[in-house]
Amino acid sequence: ETGVTQSPTHLIKTRGQQVTLRCSSQSGHNTVSWYQQALGQGPQFIFQYYREEENGRGNFPPRFSGLQFPNYSSELNVNALELDDSALYLCASSFTENTEAFFGQGTRLTVV
Amino acid sequence: GQQVMQIPQYQHVQEGEDFTTYCNSSTTLSNIQWYKQRPGGHPVFLIQLVKSGEVKKQKRLTFQFGEAKKNSSLHITATQTTDVGTYFCAGPGGSQGNLIFGKGTKLSVKP
Repeated sequence: ETGVTQSPTHLIKTRGQQVTLRCSSQSGHNTVSWYQQALGQGPQFIFQYYREEENGRGNFPPRFSGLQFPNYSSELNVNALELDDSALYLCASSFTENTEAFFGQGTRLTVV
Repeated sequence: GQQVMQIPQYQHVQEGEDFTTYCNSSTTLSNIQWYKQRPGGHPVFLIQLVKSGEVKKQKRLTFQFGEAKKNSSLHITATQTTDVGTYFCAGPGGSQGNLIFGKGTKLSVKP
């Protein structure tokens, strides 16, 4: 196991609602990235946090937002959920932005 | 934008047969990483290649990084049922600090 934990593991939300997903990084890692993985696809980069600051962002709308806390844990918030937001959301921590990424088990979000 | 492409999308093999997946980037990469995702699981890091022409082996798995640092391959010798899963390659996305993943090659192994 990687030491990266995510909660919850599964979640069902209604279109238009808001959701918060949580991630606890591996000890010693100060960089956390969030990815969205649709069924049958590779992970798509949402954003990355380094020492509590957003360090990069993929092609996702502003209703996807995040936070990183002093203990390097992180949150992903999604507002105004849409059906297409249904996916596996993965958190990955690493020492730096380009070293190996340690993924959590993911949160399976279903929007109905 | 930068793209990472993998072929084939699916591969079905008989246990004991070899398997190869290929990865191509639209841009030169500083490094390339390979991950394995078991059904219902999350991506697990396998290896990172950095040098042009680099070849690394992990037991039955052989990883290569092309001379131009734009392509890579993963070869599995004598597949086993434990090799089942989707294999992804991923390259740095540049200043955004992200990894750009290919769509993966899903391997199934028939006993």
